[in-house]
Amino acid sequence: EIVMTQSPATLSVSPGDRATLSCRASQSVSNSLAWYQQKVGQAPRLLIYGASTRATGIPARFSGSGSGTEFTLTISSLQSEDFAVYYCQQYHNWPPWTFGQGTKVEIK
Amino acid sequence: EVQLLESGGGLIQPGGSLRLSCAASGFTFSTYAMNWVRQAPGKGLEWVSGISGSGGSTYYADSVKGRFTISRDNSESTLYMQMNSLGAEDTAVYYCARRWDAYSTFDYWGQGALVTVSS
Repeated sequence: EIVMTQSPATLSVSPGDRATLSCRASQSVSNSLAWYQQKVGQAPRLLIYGASTRATGIPARFSGSGSGTEFTLTISSLQSEDFAVYYCQQYHNWPPWTFGQGTKVEIK
Repeated sequence: EVQLLESGGGLIQPGGSLRLSCAASGFTFSTYAMNWVRQAPGKGLEWVSGISGSGGSTYYADSVKGRFTISRDNSESTLYMQMNSLGAEDTAVYYCARRWDAYSTFDYWGQGALVTVSS
C-alpha cells in the first residue's frame, strides 16, 4: 500500500497571500496524483488530477506540480472561499486508493 | 447534472448490520465504476470499497473485507453497501463517489450518509 503524507497539518495564511501545500508518496506514483478540497460539512471536491491539471470549473489560482514522490498544491492568492481542508490522493497503484491525512488552510 | 444521493445511514448497535444506498442520476450509471469512501468524525478520508461498471469486479479495504459487500443495480442506477458486524471503528460519514475511468480518480461525490455505531 502506498502511504501518502501531507505537510503541514495546518497552514495559517492571510487572504491574498500564497499557500503552498506538500504531499509525499512512500513510493513513486508517477503523475497519478489528485488534490481535493473539502469545506466544513461538505463532500470533497476534485481540484487537480494528473498532478497538475485543473478539474472543470476550478479557478486558475489553484495549481499543482510534481511527479514521482513529491507534489505541491499552490493557491496563488487565497480567497475567503479557499479556507478548507485539502487532501492528496494517489491512483497509481490501486486498490487501495490512498489519501494523505489532509492539510487545513486557516485564516491567519 | 451529475447527482449522487446517499441514504440508509443511522444509529446502529455494535455487531449490527446496515445497508447504504446511493442513487445516481445525470449520467450513464452502468459505464462508470463506483466507490465508497468514509470519513470518521474529525478524521481524514479512507477509501472503503469499489465496483466496476458491470459489477463484475469488486474491491475492498482490508479494514472492511469480509464484513462489507458492495453491489449495484444498473437498471435502477443505484449503488449499495451492505455492512455487517459493525463496530465503533466504522462510525463515519460514508460518501459514494464516481470513478473517472480516464484517470481512475473520483470526480463526483455524494453528500454523504452518517453511520453511527454505538450502544
